[in-house]
Amino acid sequence: SQELEQSPQSLIVQEGKNLTINCTSSKTLYGLYWYKQKYGEGLIFLMMLQKGGEEKSHEKITAKLDEKKQQSSLHITASQPSHAGIYLCGAAETGANNLFFGTGTRLTVIP
Amino acid sequence: GAVVSQHPSRVICKSGTSVKIECRSLDFQATTMFWYRQFPKKSLMLMATSNEGSKATYEQGVEKDKFLINHASLTLSTLTVTSAHPEDSSFYICSATSVSSYNEQFFGPGTRLTVL
Repeated sequence: SQELEQSPQSLIVQEGKNLTINCTSSKTLYGLYWYKQKYGEGLIFLMMLQKGGEEKSHEKITAKLDEKKQQSSLHITASQPSHAGIYLCGAAETGANNLFFGTGTRLTVIP
Repeated sequence: GAVVSQHPSRVICKSGTSVKIECRSLDFQATTMFWYRQFPKKSLMLMATSNEGSKATYEQGVEKDKFLINHASLTLSTLTVTSAHPEDSSFYICSATSVSSYNEQFFGPGTRLTVL
């Protein structure tokens, strides 16, 4: 099974600052998903990366997957309080579509 | 850490039959449970949110009569796919949160449903 490690486990930043969250796999990833969870709510899908070197952006959030497809980073530019929550990366095994998730990163943005 | 189990892990059924999937929180009381569905090569889609003792809140586009959710206790929620069709074949995953876990979400291992 896949093992995903996320770092940092928690992050507190001042509003307006940039930040990066990392997700590392012990194996080559078939697909990498980033989700955000607001407290007490379900997952919100952010982005999916599948190709080595792929990079996607949505509003102020950019996600990258390295060439070896074992590491992904999520970068937030000019963070806002609305970005606060728990960020989860999830990975799909080749051909199985079962998702394994990282441990999550709790982000707090101080106004 | 908190453990969430799902049963069965895999199920194959004939078209027209109903299938029940169980989601259990093994070592904590789950005040809220979520049901997700994953389509091939796509993300998880939140289907519904269920709170113990109350009716589930379904996401837009999810048929409540098709996907019956019951959250009868603080450790068990069930999803019943009624009159299943091949297009219902998917990977269903539940998650659970509790107040004591600061609303962190713990995921079950998922159930793969195949409708023939």
